[in-house]
Amino acid sequence: GQSLEQPSEVTAVEGAIVQINCTYQTSGFYGLSWYQQHDGGAPTFLSYNALDGLEETGRFSSFLSRSDSYGYLLLQELQMKDSASYFCAVRDILTGGGNKLTFGTGTQLKVEL
Amino acid sequence: DGGITQSPKYLFRKEGQNVTLSCEQNLNHDAMYWYRQDPGQGLRLIYYSQIVNDFQKGDIAEGYSVSREKKESFPLTVTSAQKNPTAFYLCASSSTDRGLKNTEAFFGQGTRLTVV
Repeated sequence: GQSLEQPSEVTAVEGAIVQINCTYQTSGFYGLSWYQQHDGGAPTFLSYNALDGLEETGRFSSFLSRSDSYGYLLLQELQMKDSASYFCAVRDILTGGGNKLTFGTGTQLKVEL
Repeated sequence: DGGITQSPKYLFRKEGQNVTLSCEQNLNHDAMYWYRQDPGQGLRLIYYSQIVNDFQKGDIAEGYSVSREKKESFPLTVTSAQKNPTAFYLCASSSTDRGLKNTEAFFGQGTRLTVV
């Protein structure tokens, strides 16, 4: 089966940089995604890595190391609105085609003044 | 506008009753998913479907059932066999294209089910 591990909570100050790590165990791995969820809302897609390296999207970057089964989300110039839960998710390719999306337990980020 | 719609947003049911949650998408996605989220917890996969008339159990399928008679629709039934059904239920859809950029899952706004 699949398992993903993330820290449960991270606190940082406005303007700072924070890194949220994710380690995973899975079969048929195809890529690692990151999602943001504000309280009571739906998760929204942030970024995706299928290959090793860094993907940058504005203030957010995501990194993947397939050999280490490890990735991280980097948030720069933190703003109060970044306070939310962040989930890593593994996309597995299934036998016969198709894919399955499994989420980690999530990291609650609190941004303080 | 394309999107994924869940209804209702809030649902109250008596213990022992079955209840069906609706999920409809007009994104032309082949894959659809149901997740359960408990307070302060992650998303746990209940069922998923890659194509019409086919679906697979996720990690916590016991007490739930689904159907996929149309590409656009993937309703979830919470049966009386589900021991602790009160939770936030999220439906999602995605493309099954293996292309690198077609990996985003789109979520509905969720249904908050309370069983009393």
